[in-house]
Amino acid sequence: DAGVIQSPRHEVTEMGQEVTLRCKPISGHDYLFWYRQTMMRGLELLIYFNNNVPIDDSGMPEDRFSAKMPNASFSTLKIQPSEPRDSAVYFCASSFGGARMGNQPQHFGDGTRLSIL
Amino acid sequence: GQQVMQIPQYQHVQEGEDFTTYCNSSTTLSNIQWYKQRPGGHPVFLIQLVKSGEVKKQKRLTFQFGEAKKNSSLHITATQTTDVGTYFCACFSGNTPLVFGKGTRLSVIA
Repeated sequence: DAGVIQSPRHEVTEMGQEVTLRCKPISGHDYLFWYRQTMMRGLELLIYFNNNVPIDDSGMPEDRFSAKMPNASFSTLKIQPSEPRDSAVYFCASSFGGARMGNQPQHFGDGTRLSIL
Repeated sequence: GQQVMQIPQYQHVQEGEDFTTYCNSSTTLSNIQWYKQRPGGHPVFLIQLVKSGEVKKQKRLTFQFGEAKKNSSLHITATQTTDVGTYFCACFSGNTPLVFGKGTRLSVIA
């Protein structure tokens, strides 16, 4: 079975550039999560979707970050303009949910290692 | 909001020694999950605990949920080099998505 697929695996770009991270969740999963991981702050939830609808984006650091899920098999996280402090590993995860998303395992992609110079 | 504390932050052990990480929540939980992340990898689900006082075992790993459902522990018996990684608890209180602890990074010295 295919797991969560993220692209690119690595991204190095200069500050001010637009960065787009992509995610394909596991087929049939109705929840999709975007996380950011750094040594200092650990694993932070940025935003999550249920049935393609954004439910909570309170973790998005600022207006430079945006996320979309146009259909059940694709989501993007965009940073525009990017800054060096955005450097981190970004993970996408998906899960079954229904009414109680918190009692289902989350399946993580391999992540995108983002470096902003 | 919900606070999740994991201790210790780091643990270095000799191969064959035991290891324990602790997770504490500021609120009563519906359930708790544990994940392992190998260096350079992604978090992988290990187990979920739901009942008060629940104990589950996976080979050398023992997971326990506290009676008050506010804390949990993961114990590894006789660590091996394959146990290296960061162990995260993830807490669900019923109202918000999983809240991950900052993890305990385990190093095993052969």
